Amino acid sequence: AQSVSQHNHHVILSEAASLELGCNYSYGGTVNLFWYVQYPGQHLQLLLKYFSGDPLVKGIKGFEAEFIKSKFSFNLRKPSVQWSDTAEYFCAVNAGTGRRALTFGSGTRLQVQP
Amino acid sequence: DTAVSQTPKYLVTQMGNDKSIKCEQNLGHDTMYWYKQDSKKFLKIMFSYNNKELIINETVPNRFSPKSPDKAHLNLHINSLELGDSAVYFCASSQLGTGSYNEQFFGPGTRLTVL
Repeated sequence: AQSVSQHNHHVILSEAASLELGCNYSYGGTVNLFWYVQYPGQHLQLLLKYFSGDPLVKGIKGFEAEFIKSKFSFNLRKPSVQWSDTAEYFCAVNAGTGRRALTFGSGTRLQVQP
Repeated sequence: DTAVSQTPKYLVTQMGNDKSIKCEQNLGHDTMYWYKQDSKKFLKIMFSYNNKELIINETVPNRFSPKSPDKAHLNLHINSLELGDSAVYFCASSQLGTGSYNEQFFGPGTRLTVL
């Protein structure tokens, strides 16, 4: 069964600091990878996704993620965070095509201090 | 226009009651899901329907019964509510099929509190 690990549970940064959130998955086949963001009291919104092609994907709000197949990783990055990036971030995996739900990581709470 | 909507947004009820949560999507997707987010923010799939057919049924108490009257709606009925059912329930939808990548769109969530 597929699983997703997010090792950073709570990250506190100052504005303008750079961000990298780790995500590792366990599945040997083709995967589709996603990062979702949940702002306080809101629903999940898609930040970015990887299906195939260029392993460096760019998403909304200046976020990007790099798929490294050999490391089973899909880390999320942002060069300079803002206070408005304070939220919960979820990495999710779908094992290729087929009738499968997303498997989510446990989430990383990002707190950006002004 | 809201893509995936849920009602109600908040639900407070007593233990032992029966309640329903409704979900509707106007994206034309063929697959809908229910996820449960617990107090630690962990999200876990409960059910999924594809074209009104149940395709995912995770280890969930049989007090939970999903119903999909058509492709655009997926409701969740919960019998004999327990304290542990308190959580946020998210509905989602996606378009499956040949070559699809299962990008899911989420509703705003229903915060269920069982007293």
